[in-house]
Amino acid sequence: DAGITQSPRHKVTETGTPVTLRCHQTENHRYMYWYRQDPGHGLRLIHYSYGVKDTDKGEVSDGYSVSRSKTEDFLLTLESATSSQTSVYFCAISERDNTGELFFGEGSRLTVL
Amino acid sequence: GIQVEQSPPDLILQEGANSTLRCNFSDSVNNLQWFHQNPWGQLINLFYIPSGTKQNGRLSATTVATERYSLLYISSSQTTDSGVYFCAVELPTSGTYKYIFGTGTRLKVLA
Repeated sequence: DAGITQSPRHKVTETGTPVTLRCHQTENHRYMYWYRQDPGHGLRLIHYSYGVKDTDKGEVSDGYSVSRSKTEDFLLTLESATSSQTSVYFCAISERDNTGELFFGEGSRLTVL
Repeated sequence: GIQVEQSPPDLILQEGANSTLRCNFSDSVNNLQWFHQNPWGQLINLFYIPSGTKQNGRLSATTVATERYSLLYISSSQTTDSGVYFCAVELPTSGTYKYIFGTGTRLKVLA
């Protein structure tokens, strides 16, 4: 168990509203990631973090921002949600300091109406 | 950017059959993993295998990094093997640690 908790697990919101998804880890891993999963596309990297306040963009970062003010929390924010952001969002951590293996949280299902 | 292709995209098996799933990647990579996404959406780690061969029960995997492919073998398949299998590769670019996923192989095992 990699100790990853995502919240909320399910959310329905309306177009134009801000949304923040939280990823919390308990094992002090340096690297954290946000992915989205959509039919036909597999998992695509949105943003990742390699330390407190150190973040970088992934493949599909437009419309998303992230913040990491402490090691254990990685926040994904949709400033103004759109229907195209309806998806399942997965947080992951990498045990880079050991093997580099990637572990995932349970996922957060977001529906934007 | 790097391309990760998985084949076949869909696979239907009778319980007890064997199968081979393939992951091709277009450039050299640092790491490679196989995941199983079960019908409830959970992503389960199967193998961390940047090179060589590993076995875990009925599953085994082989990565030939020099030829840029990895294979996942499932023997004596069971209905609980159903779901989507993903491979993911970590890009080798210095200073970045991005994992890129293939689009998956959807497996259905019939009783």
